[in-house]
Amino acid sequence: DTAVSQTPKYLVTQMGNDKSIKCEQNLGHDTMYWYKQDSKKFLKIMFSYNNKELIINETVPNRFSPKSPDKAHLNLHINSLELGDSAVYFCASSQGGGTWGQETQYFGPGTRLLVL
Amino acid sequence: SQQGEEDPQALSIQEGENATMNCSYKTSINNLQWYRQNSGRGLVHLILIRSNEREKHSGRLRVTLDTSKKSSSLLITASRAADTASYFCATVVAGGTSYGKLTFGQGTILTVHP
Repeated sequence: DTAVSQTPKYLVTQMGNDKSIKCEQNLGHDTMYWYKQDSKKFLKIMFSYNNKELIINETVPNRFSPKSPDKAHLNLHINSLELGDSAVYFCASSQGGGTWGQETQYFGPGTRLLVL
Repeated sequence: SQQGEEDPQALSIQEGENATMNCSYKTSINNLQWYRQNSGRGLVHLILIRSNEREKHSGRLRVTLDTSKKSSSLLITASRAADTASYFCATVVAGGTSYGKLTFGQGTILTVHP
């Protein structure tokens, strides 16, 4: 069984379009994260939700909007896509609930976004 | 800003040899974690070492932490071709409420030749 899954795996789209990436975890975790990995493999956190509440909101353009309908799902919507948004986006989850930072984060397989 | 710097950026060795990767960071930490990323895949957690620990082992992995030098090393002994991957260190800063925010280094690309 896949612990953290993301859809789609690949996303090729034109500049200016709006797209969404979905993430689901079946680990029963309280906390979920979105990371962006650039072409140089540098990974940077974007957002984190704990039990549907936003707890980390890094300096990210407001074209990026996360949504957590329940604690098992964290989606990422991107408006007006730009060339610089091309990257691999990873979702992750962890137990949370106050044990933040003391625990393993489980990563999804990534969504490769290419903006043309 | 980037918390961790890794060294070397790339490492190429023969199967059976040991591989050592180093990570330096800038601020005080709560803990430091190592992750592996196989090509085209997500990250897999390897080991977590807390700021009050100096050394930790897990199978063929040995991690050391020197908080006075703000550095850590990951040693993989008796490497195998399957160890070929990128290895990242990530830190959780001390104090405040970081909510488990991981700050990653640039990674070391390890290639193990059969």
